[in-house]
Amino acid sequence: KNEVEQSPQNLTAQEGEFITINCSYSVGISALHWLQQHPGGGIVSLFMLSSGKKKHGRLIATINIQEKHSSLHITASHPRDSAVYICAVKTQGGSEKLVFGKGMKLTVNP
Amino acid sequence: DTAVSQTPKYLVTQMGNDKSIKCEQNLGHDTMYWYKQDSKKFLKIMFSYNNKELIINETVPNRFSPKSPDKAHLNLHINSLELGDSAVYFCASSLGGRYSPLHFGNGTRLTVT
Repeated sequence: KNEVEQSPQNLTAQEGEFITINCSYSVGISALHWLQQHPGGGIVSLFMLSSGKKKHGRLIATINIQEKHSSLHITASHPRDSAVYICAVKTQGGSEKLVFGKGMKLTVNP
Repeated sequence: DTAVSQTPKYLVTQMGNDKSIKCEQNLGHDTMYWYKQDSKKFLKIMFSYNNKELIINETVPNRFSPKSPDKAHLNLHINSLELGDSAVYFCASSLGGRYSPLHFGNGTRLTVT
């Protein structure tokens, strides 16, 4: 079992819908990253969280350290949000190691 | 201005060859990484360097040798390429420390035939 699990694995939504992507992890972490990988392949860092909530435009990321769970929300989704969203955790212990989830493929239809 | 650039973007080569992928960052970051993304799109750390020193070396075959001539560059050399090496390789950099976001290059798609 992977240390980082994401759900759902795939999601198709209609433009304008509110979308939630979930990430659960089973190890102690110092930080959690949300990454976006576009169909062209490039990877962009969206958020890095160690507690609470962060917001950037239509994107909101939350983390619950006690429950070992994070969510990425997309409000008023748009076809340009179509991408793979990857959750990654930085494990405790001093090293810079990131452990990645398998990603969630989001398709937003017009 | 490209922040993290890696070359080439595509690399097609035959089994047994030796090849290199170059990575450069102009962000002034101290830490650089190589990640491998397999056919199932799963990303995995391979190496991490901080100020030219190796700090993470995951269970990667020793045919893979990273080289960091200075903190702005981290190149990846692969000897005796095998079919299973086919993947997309991403370079990334960060300031270092647990709260630093990552900046990725655009990836190099390596195909071994």
